[in-house]
This record gives sequence, structure tokens and C-alpha cells, in this order.
Amino acid sequence: DGGITQSPKYLFRKEGQNVTLSCEQNLNHDAMYWYRQDPGQGLRLIYYSQIVNDFQKGDIAEGYSVSREKKESFPLTVTSAQKNPTAFYLCASSAGVSSYEQYFGPGTRLTVT
Amino acid sequence: ILNVEQSPQSLHVQEGDSTNFTCSFPSSNFYALHWYRWETAKSPEALFVMTLNGDEKKKGRISATLNTKEGYSYLYIKGSQPEDSATYLCASTLIDNAGNMLTFGGGTRLMVKP
Repeated sequence: DGGITQSPKYLFRKEGQNVTLSCEQNLNHDAMYWYRQDPGQGLRLIYYSQIVNDFQKGDIAEGYSVSREKKESFPLTVTSAQKNPTAFYLCASSAGVSSYEQYFGPGTRLTVT
Repeated sequence: ILNVEQSPQSLHVQEGDSTNFTCSFPSSNFYALHWYRWETAKSPEALFVMTLNGDEKKKGRISATLNTKEGYSYLYIKGSQPEDSATYLCASTLIDNAGNMLTFGGGTRLMVKP
């Protein structure tokens, strides 16, 4: 089945630790995105990547880092510099610049204590 | 940052009621308006993508309209069913957005009581 997978579904970390969230897609999509959702707020864009080995900051990139070494994979690292890391994280992909429909993964809920 | 607003924030209706909610967005440099349906514990699922002023789209009991001149879109659900309970997200794309970035509203959470 084609789709986007995110693992794990729930993640717990101690404050001060970096943590990496996985996102994999087998849709052969060029573009991938990371969003964050906080209670009562819309999805906010953290980072996006249009092609392999290239990525751009979104609206709230501070305290996060990404890599795009393979087309299928776009991992997000939440660093200890992120002041409020506890949130729900969604990954998405789209066919590319010429296609504006995004497909979403099931999300990862990160809790940092 | 583009400001996309949705209202109401949440809505409780009885099974069989028809309902509608609103998405407003800045109309300058508009490119596309997206509606997503997000059920608890699932991925957001695309409902509609609309680009032209006056566009109307329909999928079963759900339909949407678009007014790009005044910057709003309505989502209508006819004869709501409990399985329609979800959060409905709208998102806007600007014509000059790199990577076709979506800017999301806060969502409308619909709960349909049997």
C-alpha cells in the first residue's frame, strides 16, 4: 500500500535530550513537510523539502533540524534548544511544486518531561 | 504569515441536522484553498482543493464553495451522521509560495450526536 508512515506513534523523552521523529513515504513524492500541532491551534509548518539534499525553514523552525538524504525519508530532530517540544507532529508529502495536494502520515505525539 | 481563520471552533449537532462552517483567508495572491477531514487517531484526509472563484465541489453529503474575491469558503454537511464527527481543517496556498506551503486554520471540531 502506498502511503506515509511515522514512527513511533507516542514518544517520551526527558528534557535536554535530542529526539528524532521518523517519516517515510513510498509515494515517490518529491516534496515533504513537517508540521506541529498544539491544542486549539492549526498546523504550523516547521520545515519542508522540495527535493533530495535540499530543505527550507518553515514558520517555526527554531529548535528543530531535518535532513533529506533519500527521497523516501525526511527525519525531524527535536533538539534540546526547542523550548516547548511537547506537541503532536505530522509529516506530509506532495508530488512536487506542480502538485499542491498534500498527503499526511498518522502523526507522532511527543511528550517531554 | 498568512492568516487563515475558521469558525466556529467547535460544533455539536444532532444526527440528521445539516450544518456549515466557514474558512476565511486573505484574498491577495490566492492560489488554492484546501479542505481536510481529520478523524481522531487517523491522518488528515483531503476533501477538496479549489482554485477558481465561484468553485463548488461536492462529495456525497459534503460540499464546499469558494469566494476568492472576499476571501472565504464554506463547507456544508447535509444530514449529519455520527461518522461525520471529525475536525475539519482548511488551508490556503499563495501564488508565490515556494514548495506550495499550506497555511492552516485552527480547524472546526464537529461532533454529531446519534
